[in-house]
Amino acid sequence: GQNIDQPTEMTATEGAIVQINCTYQTSGFNGLFWYQQHAGEAPTFLSYNVLDGLEEKGRFSSFLSRSKGYSYLLLKELQMKDSASYLCAVRDGETGGFKTIFGAGTRLFVKA
Amino acid sequence: GAVVSQHPSWVICKSGTSVKIECRSLDFQATTMFWYRQFPKQSLMLMATSNEGSKATYEQGVEKDKFLINHASLTLSTLTVTSAHPEDSSFYICSAIRQEQFFGPGTRLTVL
Repeated sequence: GQNIDQPTEMTATEGAIVQINCTYQTSGFNGLFWYQQHAGEAPTFLSYNVLDGLEEKGRFSSFLSRSKGYSYLLLKELQMKDSASYLCAVRDGETGGFKTIFGAGTRLFVKA
Repeated sequence: GAVVSQHPSWVICKSGTSVKIECRSLDFQATTMFWYRQFPKQSLMLMATSNEGSKATYEQGVEKDKFLINHASLTLSTLTVTSAHPEDSSFYICSAIRQEQFFGPGTRLTVL
């Protein structure tokens, strides 16, 4: 089976750093994704990790530990526009490698 | 620019009618597309995997006869919600993979 856990909500201050954690259990693993979703819109791709370690892309970084079934998304220099839901998603490696299952998402509120 | 399009963006229909949603991959061929459903403040739930030239693969709990999927060409998949009811009101999102997973803009269905 598959299970993805992430906090429901988080609040942070503009200019600060926030870390959103994600733990997962899957029968197969073929990569972990982070997406950003604003209300009423489709998700947009942020990052992809398939090997252990940290991937940095501008203000966003994503970390993966496959042995621990753990990932986090790090957002630096928070801006008001970063208020959104952040979805952790895992690609199942047992079904041809393309089936992606999403966590419930973490709603981030950035305050001034 | 957008790599996956959906039509319509929103639709309002009467209970009992059928609604067809189109998903197109732009400038690339997608043998596999995915259909997700998202209820308010919840994450994306995979409904089915659409396979070009063959039957769709449905997730557990998703009614095949209610949500008809046709992947007629390498760039088009359609989802038809048959005999729609108010509880089918949701945000339907398709996606296709071209190196990474791209999502369409979504279709908001409201059944009165």
